[in-house]
Amino acid sequence: QSVLTQPPSVSAAPGQKVTISCSGSSSNIGSVYVSWYQHLPGTAPKLLIYEDNKRPSGIPDRFSGSKSGTSATLGITGLQTGDEADYYCGTWDTSLRAGVFGGGTKLTVL
Amino acid sequence: EVQLVESGGGLVQPGGSLRLSCAASGFTISSYWMTWVRQPPGKGLEWVANIKEDGSDKNYVDSVKGRFTISRDNVENSLSLQLKSLRAEDTAVYYCARKLPVSGTPMDYWGQGTLVTVSS
Repeated sequence: QSVLTQPPSVSAAPGQKVTISCSGSSSNIGSVYVSWYQHLPGTAPKLLIYEDNKRPSGIPDRFSGSKSGTSATLGITGLQTGDEADYYCGTWDTSLRAGVFGGGTKLTVL
Repeated sequence: EVQLVESGGGLVQPGGSLRLSCAASGFTISSYWMTWVRQPPGKGLEWVANIKEDGSDKNYVDSVKGRFTISRDNVENSLSLQLKSLRAEDTAVYYCARKLPVSGTPMDYWGQGTLVTVSS
């Protein structure tokens, strides 16, 4: 059971928008910046968002991040079939003194 | 070009040991926290351990404390993870990753992973 809670799956049609939630606590999301990753099986995970809402160079602005209290959200607009992947939120837990990930959310673009 | 290449994975019996290595190129690891993350078959990502730029601070997930040891060689530009007393639940693809020098734990470059299988 993961420290951060994500929905197991989300789906939407091409061109639409989807959001993925990540719920934690005051010892992680509530006090530390959140990152988001895209992961295709057999490949290296890709950093999409860091410091809650910043995009690394090369990540399109279709991807956005936000945070409120102990929850964070990843938004993806203009969905493409190539966006089908597993998405993970991650941060640091100050009580555990360890990094933590959400359980992952499988995105299906119908 | 930044690259991380893991090696050392394989099949090992329960209770056995293994040493994973991660060779970095295109950047100097001495300027970055480095991290190991694993993914068991059919499951999600799990943070395993990290180590400060100069090796003076190390952190581990509870399930590997006392069994795994993270280390780095800033001269050789490499990262290692010593795995001991291995269990079936340690079976996973192990990734090394570079942490961005910003707040939180964002990892901007990852290797392709090395598979560790613990089975008799």
